[in-house]
Order: sequence, then structure tokens, then C-alpha cells
Amino acid sequence: EIVLTQSPGTLSLSPGERATLSCRASQSVSNNYLAWYQQKPGQAPRLLIYGASSRATAIPDRFSGSGSGTDFTLTISRLEPEDFAVYYCQQYGRSPQTFGQGTKVEIK
Amino acid sequence: QVHLVESGGGVVQPGRSLRLSCAASGFIFSSYAVHWVRQAPGKGLEWVAVISYDGNNKYYADSVRGRITISRDNSKNTLELQMNSLRPEDTAVYYCARSGTGNYQGWFDYWGRGTLVTVSS
Repeated sequence: EIVLTQSPGTLSLSPGERATLSCRASQSVSNNYLAWYQQKPGQAPRLLIYGASSRATAIPDRFSGSGSGTDFTLTISRLEPEDFAVYYCQQYGRSPQTFGQGTKVEIK
Repeated sequence: QVHLVESGGGVVQPGRSLRLSCAASGFIFSSYAVHWVRQAPGKGLEWVAVISYDGNNKYYADSVRGRITISRDNSKNTLELQMNSLRPEDTAVYYCARSGTGNYQGWFDYWGRGTLVTVSS
């Protein structure tokens, strides 16, 4: 199975700052079938990005995804208070679908 | 508006069984593959199983294969997960999630709120 490794484990930033989250795959992700999710405590995950760079419905444009092959990035251009959460990447190009272990974005 | 509502969770002893349900509304249920994804307390997300739009294809994670069965009833817009021989490591919140592509290989565009399964003696 494809193992996804997210870094850093925790990102401590202030509102207004730029956040850069990394997701590295153990094998190439076919067709860039990679998604990003945001999860807040006690809530279900919310889809942010699919196809590595396509924003999901109603997702603000401060969220952007990039990358291909084995290296992918989620960028939050300017952190809003509601963006402090845990972020997961997921590959759906090869079965079984797998998730990264998550990156927590916390308030500095 | 798409809604997925899970039910059936609870506390169960190791080795026993439990059946989870997910009621879907707000979309054409019979046109979409749907998944179960779980999250152990304080841990990350783990994909569990998927069933195709017509129920003819089912796939499972290695960790649950042989103990868990996914099924659906398109006439009732419901998804189910029959879990047998439960283990403490099955303790998690179980989410149902819709496949954004419609087929079994895709991102998860809508999620339910989840139902907690606790396996403990």
C-alpha cells in the first residue's frame, strides 16, 4: 500500500501567516489522485482539495494544493482563526486508499 | 442538501458483533459508491470499506477483511456495516462518506458525523 508521510507533525503559526503542509508518498500517486481534508475537534473531516489542486465546493481561495508524483503541498495563504485544525492528505489512486497521519496547525 | 447520518454504535464486548447503519438523503444514493472510514480515539483516519453504487463490488482494508461486511439497500437509501469478532483495536468513531467521483475510487466529498464503537470487556 502507499504510505503517506505528512510533515511537520505540528505547525505553530499566528493568524495572518502562511502555512505550508507537506505530504510525501512512498510511491507515485497515479493521476495525482490526492485529496486534503481539514478536521476540527469533535467534527467529521471536511474536504478541501481533490485531484491535488482542485478546491472543493465553498472552500475559500486561501487554500491551495499543488504537487505531483510523490510530493504534494497544501498551502493556506493567510491563516484565519477558523483554520487552526488538523489536516490530512489521502491518496485514492491505488487500493487501499490511505491517509497521512495528519498535521496539526496550532496557534502560536 | 447531502446528509449522511450514522447510527448503531455503542459498547460491545470483544468477540461480539455490531451492525452500523448510515441513512443518506439529499442526493441520488444509487448513483454513488459509499465508504466507511474510522478514527480511533486521538488517532488518524483509516479507510475501512467501500461498496459500489450498485452493491456489486466491495473492497475491504486488510485489518477488517473477513470480519466486516459492507452492504447497501438502494431502495431505502441506507448503508450498513456488519462487524463480527470485534477486537479492542476496532474501537473508533465510524464515519460513512460519499465518494466524490461516484465510483469506488475517489475522494470523500460528504461525511456523516460518525458513530462511536467501543470494544471493551
